[in-house]
Amino acid sequence: QVQLVQSGVEVKKPGASVKVSCKASGYTFITYGISWVRQAPGQGLEWMGWVSAYDGNIEYAQNFQGRVTMTTDTSTSTAYMELRRLRSDDTAVYYCARDGPGTYYGMDVWGQGTTVTVSS
Amino acid sequence: QSVLTQPPSVSGAPGQRVTISCTGSSSNIGAGFDVHWYQQLPGAAPKLLIYGDNNRPSGVPDRFSGSKSGTSASLAISGLQAEDDADYYCQSYDSSLSGSHVFGTGTKVTVL
Repeated sequence: QVQLVQSGVEVKKPGASVKVSCKASGYTFITYGISWVRQAPGQGLEWMGWVSAYDGNIEYAQNFQGRVTMTTDTSTSTAYMELRRLRSDDTAVYYCARDGPGTYYGMDVWGQGTTVTVSS
Repeated sequence: QSVLTQPPSVSGAPGQRVTISCTGSSSNIGAGFDVHWYQQLPGAAPKLLIYGDNNRPSGVPDRFSGSKSGTSASLAISGLQAEDDADYYCQSYDSSLSGSHVFGTGTKVTVL
């Protein structure tokens, strides 16, 4: 079945970096993109950016530009999201989601989420 | 700060019909961009409920329906059931932002 499996819980100190992985299975990885979405405790969904698994084309949300890097590894069907210079308000659950092609189909498959806690 | 506004909460008794609005502007919904809806049960990842304004993925009950008009979209849930008690988010795209996807503020549906 189509699924996205994310890496495990992370605990980081302020100023550090975190890299979350998202392994896809059950579909042809390069025919879709991957969006990253985060949710702070008790808050709504926040889109962070999108990466094409086909050509590596990227869109980052303005709030994260300069601090986030999204990549894909087609040899392992895995997407990665690295967030640098972590702050306490980066504490959240981070989700990857299959997204595309285009805008018609939405984010139709989601990973289970990765909890990132930033604390000194 | 989201550019798509939803009511914080709606409620209804089992069997009733509820609607959730998603209000945008001429740079997102009003520009004709697709609108999607997601359901998030407590402690779970979001799930795609409606795509392309008014289409249901396989497995989503036909009690859920979407519509769009002008700068707003709506999600309707008819025949409300206890398992519909969840958070709901609209999502679209915006031409005025750096980075295209935008989520709504989210609505908590409570089944009384």
